[in-house]
Formats: sequence, C-alpha cells, structure tokens
Amino acid sequence: EADIYQTPRYLVIGTGKKITLECSQTMGHDKMYWYQQDPGMELHLIHYSYGVNSTEKGDLSSESTVSRIRTEHFPLTLESARPSHTSQYLCASSARDNSTDTQYFGPGTRLTVL
Amino acid sequence: KNQVEQSPQSLIILEGKNCTLQCNYTVSPFSNLRWYKQDTGRGPVSLTIMTFSENTKSNGRYTATLDADTKQSSLHITASQLSDSASYICVVSDGLTGGGNKLTFGTGTQLKVEL
Repeated sequence: EADIYQTPRYLVIGTGKKITLECSQTMGHDKMYWYQQDPGMELHLIHYSYGVNSTEKGDLSSESTVSRIRTEHFPLTLESARPSHTSQYLCASSARDNSTDTQYFGPGTRLTVL
Repeated sequence: KNQVEQSPQSLIILEGKNCTLQCNYTVSPFSNLRWYKQDTGRGPVSLTIMTFSENTKSNGRYTATLDADTKQSSLHITASQLSDSASYICVVSDGLTGGGNKLTFGTGTQLKVEL
C-alpha cells in the first residue's frame, strides 16, 4: 500500500467557490503529479513537480494551480470552481532515481461542482 | 501522437474462469509498459512492469506478456476471484528525459467477476 494521501475524498460545492485539494506523501519522493480522470476515460496529466519550488503544466489544459513548498505536500487549487471541473482528481508520486518511474497513486478526490 | 488502445472495453466472467485483456500501443520511443489495477473510487495500483527485452512477467495470478515488435501486450488473469473486479489500465512510458508527459494511459478494461 502506497503512503500517499488525498483529502477530501469527496467534495460537492457550488459554482464560484475556491477549493484546495490536498495531497501528501510520506515516501520522500521528489516527483509528484496531478491527474484528472472522467468516468470510463483515461487519466490526463494536468500538473507535475520534480521537487520543491518546481511546478509544470501537464498535457491537459487546466484552470487549476499547484504549489510545492514542501517535498511531501502538493496541493491543487481551483480559484473559482465551475461545473466543467466536475471530475476525479488523482495525485501520484515517484522517486527521482527510479529508472522505471513507477508512480504510486493516492485514492483520489471526487469533485462535483453544482 | 502516442496512443494506447485496450480491448475489450468491458468484460464479465464467472468466478474461477480465466480471462485475457489486450493492449495495443503506438508510443515512441518505447521505455516500458505497465498494467495497473484500479478499484472503483480508488487510485491505480501497479501490477506489472515490462521493459523492451522482457516478454512475460507474472505477479501471482496475473501474467503480462509483451511483443515489442507488434507493439502489443496482454494481461492474463487465472482463476478469477470476485476481488479481481476492477478496471485494468495499460500504461506505456516513452522514456524521454525531461517533461512530465512520459506516460500514455489507456482507457482501461472494466472487468466484472460474478458468482
């Protein structure tokens, strides 16, 4: 079982609200990732980080932002949530020296924006 | 564009039966291929990983094969159990250094094991 945690697990909010999805890992991994996954669809990378103070946008355009102030913490923020943001958000991490780049996933946050 | 296609999209089998899931990919350059199991409402968990030189790899009742020439992989599940009910995702890495987009995900095969 991977030591990577996400909170909240489920969130239902109204349009226009600001939200932060939390992700933390206790494995000391340098690399962390955020994916968005709609039901029955593939995962899409929206943000990643290779270490503290490093953040990059992924393949899928997202209105969310991320920060990496501490190695173990990689929160994702939506300044003004919209119904189009309704989705599952998965956080993952991997070790810098892992040549196979195996990513360990958290349990996900299911977000519903009304 | 890198792509990973999986078949079937969904599958229902009886407990105790075997099944095989397929994955075709067009990812270049190829580094490795993983099979993940994703239970409903959970994050994916890695089952197997294979590099270019590996043809088969087992993890308990799961056996993955890789044909790098035809760019195909399969995941064989033996003596299925109810707990095998999940989505099985094929993920291929392009192995490029730098950037975050090293992984291409398939949409998964939704497996349901029934009594």
